[in-house]
Amino acid sequence: DVKVTQSSRYLVKRTGEKVFLECVQDMDHENMFWYRQDPGLGLRLIYFSYDVKMKEKGDIPEGYSVSREKKERFSLILESASTNQTSMYLCASSIIAGGGTDTQYFGPGTRLTVL
Amino acid sequence: AQKVTQAQTEISVVEKEDVTLDCVYETRDTTYYLFWYKQPPSGELVFLIRRNSFDEQNEISGRYSWNFQKSTSSFNFTITASQVVDSAVYFCALSASWGAQKLVFGQGTRLTINP
Repeated sequence: DVKVTQSSRYLVKRTGEKVFLECVQDMDHENMFWYRQDPGLGLRLIYFSYDVKMKEKGDIPEGYSVSREKKERFSLILESASTNQTSMYLCASSIIAGGGTDTQYFGPGTRLTVL
Repeated sequence: AQKVTQAQTEISVVEKEDVTLDCVYETRDTTYYLFWYKQPPSGELVFLIRRNSFDEQNEISGRYSWNFQKSTSSFNFTITASQVVDSAVYFCALSASWGAQKLVFGQGTRLTINP
């Protein structure tokens, strides 16, 4: 089974702090994704990566950055946390499917509260 | 642009009732993929089904069934003889077959099965 883990289930930070959210997958997947989930808005893509050191902006990248130094690990960084970044953050991974879209597998999520 | 609409924000039924969750999508692509995910109270998104645009056959898996109709751009999900364990938020999602395989999610439907 695919296993995607996230470093914390719950996190509380102060406005202006630098925040790191870590995601690790154990299935040698090329693609990794960071989403945020807010009530009534579903999941929205923040950033994704299709290879080590490669990254692309998703739909809502403002206020976030990412790092992918190793294939299995994808980090989401909030350079200066703000209260409007209070949300549930979900990481996902998938293989690069030839000619098609493969299934994304999700981690358990990190519920971040910024005070 | 791609869009997924789940018009039902919340549904509540009594155990053993059948329930259908609606999903309507918009895309200009001729080849695309549709997904359903379940998010139980634990928070992790669980993959249920993936369907490509060329396969309009209905799918049945135990008490779950999916009805894909390209003519109405819908991909509806039916649970037969619902059980309390089916209580969760359900998301429908859409992906193009090319590029970065990003998922576009609907807003989600919160399903509550009452004993």
